[in-house]
Amino acid sequence: NAGVMQNPRHLVRRRGQEARLRCSPMKGHSHVYWYRQLPEEGLKFMVYLQKENIIDESGMPKERFSAEFPKEGPSILRIQQVVRGDSAAYFCASSPKGQGITGELFFGEGSRLTVL
Amino acid sequence: AQSVSQHNHHVILSEAASLELGCNYSYGGTVNLFWYVQYPGQHLQLLLKYFSGDPLVKGIKGFEAEFIKSKFSFNLRKPSVQWSDTAEYFCAVNAGILTGGGNKLTFGTGTQLKVEL
Repeated sequence: NAGVMQNPRHLVRRRGQEARLRCSPMKGHSHVYWYRQLPEEGLKFMVYLQKENIIDESGMPKERFSAEFPKEGPSILRIQQVVRGDSAAYFCASSPKGQGITGELFFGEGSRLTVL
Repeated sequence: AQSVSQHNHHVILSEAASLELGCNYSYGGTVNLFWYVQYPGQHLQLLLKYFSGDPLVKGIKGFEAEFIKSKFSFNLRKPSVQWSDTAEYFCAVNAGILTGGGNKLTFGTGTQLKVEL
């Protein structure tokens, strides 16, 4: 029973390039959450998506960042024109639909972005 | 908006010592509370959770936490730690059920625990 799969695990980009991070939720899960972890900080919520819908993007920077969760395929977090401050670990989590909201999130192992 | 405070950023203990990690949250309504653990090189895993009922919650690996509503606290405890408990521990709160935010969790900054032999 595969868990939340994220790739790539490590990504190196030069300033100005684009970064794309992918997340496949657990089987049967249709809700995806992206979090960012900066050094010495906790996980900061970025965006919450359901299939083909952005539900809550209150944690997303206004520029350069976007997220999608298409009907088919993984969720993608896209960062355009990366800057050094984007260097962080990006975690994806998923939760099931229905069953009431249990509140538990299931996390992937994260994608570590390094911007040179 | 809710927030979560973890006051201990780094804790070093010897094996068999008792552990208590503090967690306070700010939100006046009904909340669900969680402790997650991240072992070195691994993903976050749920340690325990509180939804309702008995305020003393038992989790995996001998951990427990007590919800004290009047103090807005949810401290994590373990009577006797092991070297394998070395990890980072995150407290989290979910008020999303009431605000339509789904399972959106707000995390504390984490506590790095190191257990020495």
